[in-house]
Order: sequence, then structure tokens, then C-alpha cells
Amino acid sequence: QVQLQESGPGLVKPSETLSLTCTVSGGSMTGYFWSWIRQPPGKGLEWVGYILYTGFSRYNPSLKSRLTLTVDTSRNYFSLRLNSVTAADTAIYYCARHPPVPEFRQGFDYWGQGTLATVSS
Amino acid sequence: QSALTQPPSASGSPGQSVTISCAGSSSDVGAYNSVCWYQQHPGRAPKVIIYEVSKRPSGVPDRFSGSKSGNTASLTVSGLQADDEADYYCSSYAGSDNLAFGGGTKLTVL
Repeated sequence: QVQLQESGPGLVKPSETLSLTCTVSGGSMTGYFWSWIRQPPGKGLEWVGYILYTGFSRYNPSLKSRLTLTVDTSRNYFSLRLNSVTAADTAIYYCARHPPVPEFRQGFDYWGQGTLATVSS
Repeated sequence: QSALTQPPSASGSPGQSVTISCAGSSSDVGAYNSVCWYQQHPGRAPKVIIYEVSKRPSGVPDRFSGSKSGNTASLTVSGLQADDEADYYCSSYAGSDNLAFGGGTKLTVL
């Protein structure tokens, strides 16, 4: 059974960098896409970006200038770095897996439990 | 503002059917057969219940069905049960390696 677990600091100061890691267990990262999805408290979902096991990545255009995703398949984790954060970046951040099919057709089949990242001084 | 528009709330009595809409455009819902629906219970991660407009993952009851007409997708929940009370989100591929979500619909079982 594939499991994903997010980790990272729960509190980040405005203008600083949010760093999160998603550890994958119970399966290989090879052959799959790995995404970050966030959800501001009490609000809807927003796709942040994905990274393929090869390192190929794509980002939400609204976050592209501030976002970097990396992957380490040998250690079974992928990471997010979002710089110059503001209160608007406060959200539950989920990591999720999606199958290697085009256009996100099959959706996200495995999710982490989510981690709340709060931007506040 | 979400790219896809859902009603903020929907409701129905046990045993009844309810349909939730997801309105997009000719650049997302209307252009691709990539609509998915997610169910999210409070404090939990979302779970995919419909993919590719109308397909159900293994283990999802056939009480859940999806469809699409033009730029609008729909999720129908038949034979409502108490455990169906949750938030429901649609998503659609929006071109150029981008994914859009709807704003979510809170389903209440009366």
C-alpha cells in the first residue's frame, strides 16, 4: 500500500521560503507523477505543481515565479520550495500521486494526510 | 476565484438523488475528457470518486456517477446515505499542463 507523508515547518515568516517534503513509502516513485495541492483553511483546492520521477516538472502559472519542485527517487521523496511567501500562501499542503496518463485524466489516486503551513510573523 | 464553478451547497434526504454541477469553459471541461470528482470528509484528504468524466475507481459505489454536456460536468449521487455528507470538488485539465479545480460543494444529507 502506497503511503505519502508530508513534513516541514508549520510556521513561516512573510517574505521567507516555505519548504516541504513528501516521503513516499510502500512503492516506487518510478513511472508516476507527483503533485502538490494546497487548500487554504475552509476553502477549496488549488493544484500547485507536479514533478515526474525523472525531474521533469510543471507548475501552476500563478505560482511559477516562486516555486521549485525537486525529487530524489533513490531516497523516495520529493520536495517543494515556495519563496517570498505571504499570508495568502497559508494552507494545508497535500502531496499526491497520479498515474502516468495525459491530462491528469485518472486523477490523484494516493494522497498524504496534509500539513498546515501558516505564514505569519 | 476558482476556474470551475460549483454551487456552494447541495442537499437531499436519505435515499434521494442529488446532482452537483461543475461549469467550465471550452478551454477546460469542454475541451478534454479529463474531469474528475473528489469527495472530502472533514479533516481528511480528498478521495477520487470519478475520473475521465464518468469512470469509477475500484471500490467506489455505483451510486456515484458522472457525466458531461458541453462545458459543464455533473456528479450525481443516488440513494443518498449519511456518509455521503462531505465536500465535493471537480477538476479538469485546462491545457498547457495546468489543472483547474472547482470551488467545492458542501453536500448535506438532511
